[in-house]
Amino acid sequence: EAQLLESGGNLVQPGGSLRLSCAASGFTFSNHAMSWVRQAPGKGLEYVSAIGASGDIIYYADSVKGRFTISRDNSKNTVYLQMNSLRVEDMAVYYCAKNRGPTSPDYWGQGTLVTVSS
Amino acid sequence: QSVLTQPASVSGSPGQSITISCSGTSGDVGAHNYVSWYQQHPGKAPKVMIYDVSSRPSGVSDRFSGSKSGNTASLTISGLQAEDEADYYCSSHTTRNSEVFGTGTKVTVL
Repeated sequence: EAQLLESGGNLVQPGGSLRLSCAASGFTFSNHAMSWVRQAPGKGLEYVSAIGASGDIIYYADSVKGRFTISRDNSKNTVYLQMNSLRVEDMAVYYCAKNRGPTSPDYWGQGTLVTVSS
Repeated sequence: QSVLTQPASVSGSPGQSITISCSGTSGDVGAHNYVSWYQQHPGKAPKVMIYDVSSRPSGVSDRFSGSKSGNTASLTISGLQAEDEADYYCSSHTTRNSEVFGTGTKVTVL
C-alpha cells in the first residue's frame, strides 16, 4: 500500500522560506507524477504544483509561480517543495499526493502544517 | 485558477440516496473523463472515492458511484450511512495540463 509522509512544516515569518519533503513508499515512485495540494484553515483544496515521473515540471498555480519550486529525487523516493517569499495567505496544511496520470491525485499523505505569521 | 462549482451542503437520512453535482466547463470536466471525487473527514487527508468519472478504487464501497453529462459530473451515495458524513470534493484534469478542484460539499446525515 502506498504511503506518503510529509515533513518540514513550521512557523515562519512573512518573507521567510521553508522546504517541505515527502517520503514515499509502497509503490514504484519513479513511475508516478507527484503533486502538492494545500488547504487553508476552514477552506477548500488548492492544487499547488505537480512534477512528472522523470522530474519534468508539469504545473505551478499562479499564486505560487516564481516563489515555490517543486523537485524530486527518485533515488530517495522523495518529492520536495521549496517555498520562498512566504505570505500570510500561504498558511495551510500542505498535502503530498501520488498522481494517477499527470495531475490527478489518487493517494494523499497526512499533510504538514505551514504557519506564516509575525 | 477557476474552480469547479459544487453545492455547499447536501443532507439525507440514513438509507437514502443523495447526489452531489460538480459543474465545470469544456476546458475541464467536459474535455475528458479524468474526474475524481474525494472524501475528507475533519482533520484527515482526502481519500479518493471515484476516479476516471465512475471507477471505484478497491476497498471503496459500491454505495458510491460517479457519472458525467456534458460539463457536469455527479457523485451519488446510496444507502446513506452515518460514516458518510464528511466533506466531498470533485477534481478534474484540465486542457491546460493542470488539475482543478471543486468548491466542496458538506454531507450531513440527519
